[in-house]
Amino acid sequence: AQSVTQLDSHVSVSEGTPVLLRCNYSSSYSPSLFWYVQHPNKGLQLLLKYTSAATLVKGINGFEAEFKKSETSFHLTKPSAHMSDAAEYFCVVSDLRAAGNKLTFGGGTRVLVKP
Amino acid sequence: KAGVTQTPRYLIKTRGQQVTLSCSPISGHRSVSWYQQTPGQGLQFLFEYFSETQRNKGNFPGRFSGRQFSNSRSEMNVSTLELGDSALYLCASSYSGIGTDTQYFGPGTRLTVL
Repeated sequence: AQSVTQLDSHVSVSEGTPVLLRCNYSSSYSPSLFWYVQHPNKGLQLLLKYTSAATLVKGINGFEAEFKKSETSFHLTKPSAHMSDAAEYFCVVSDLRAAGNKLTFGGGTRVLVKP
Repeated sequence: KAGVTQTPRYLIKTRGQQVTLSCSPISGHRSVSWYQQTPGQGLQFLFEYFSETQRNKGNFPGRFSGRQFSNSRSEMNVSTLELGDSALYLCASSYSGIGTDTQYFGPGTRLTVL
């Protein structure tokens, strides 16, 4: 079975400082990995995804993530936080063995951005 | 292109009632998945439909069911509602329904069971 662990349930950063959201996954097969963001009372928006091409993945709004197979990690970073980055972030793994789509979500990391 | 739409956006029901939620995928998308989001359990996969067939199912009781129509629109039904069914129900669609596909999420239906 696959699983995703987001190592921090809450992260607080100051505007203009770097953001690091940590994610570890467990999967018997090479996974597809995603980061989604959810703003209050909104649905989920895709930030970026990894599908076995380049290990450094660039996403929207200045976010990027690096896939490290040896560490089973897929950490999300942004060099400079903006107030609009305050939201909840989900690391997600897709089961490629399944016939279709079946996503497993991490517990989420809530990001607070201080002015 | 219009995004994934879900109706209604908010619902209030009482225990024992049943409810039907609707999801219209992005035009051309054939896979529709449903997820439940609660503060305690987080985001959990309910089921996925592709070409009117349920292809994957999560670990939910049989009170949770769904279907997909020929135009790819999907509905999910919850019978005999319990207080614990209060949640945000999210629908997601993707083009081909394979694991590497991006799933696009709707805004959700917030169900409150009293």
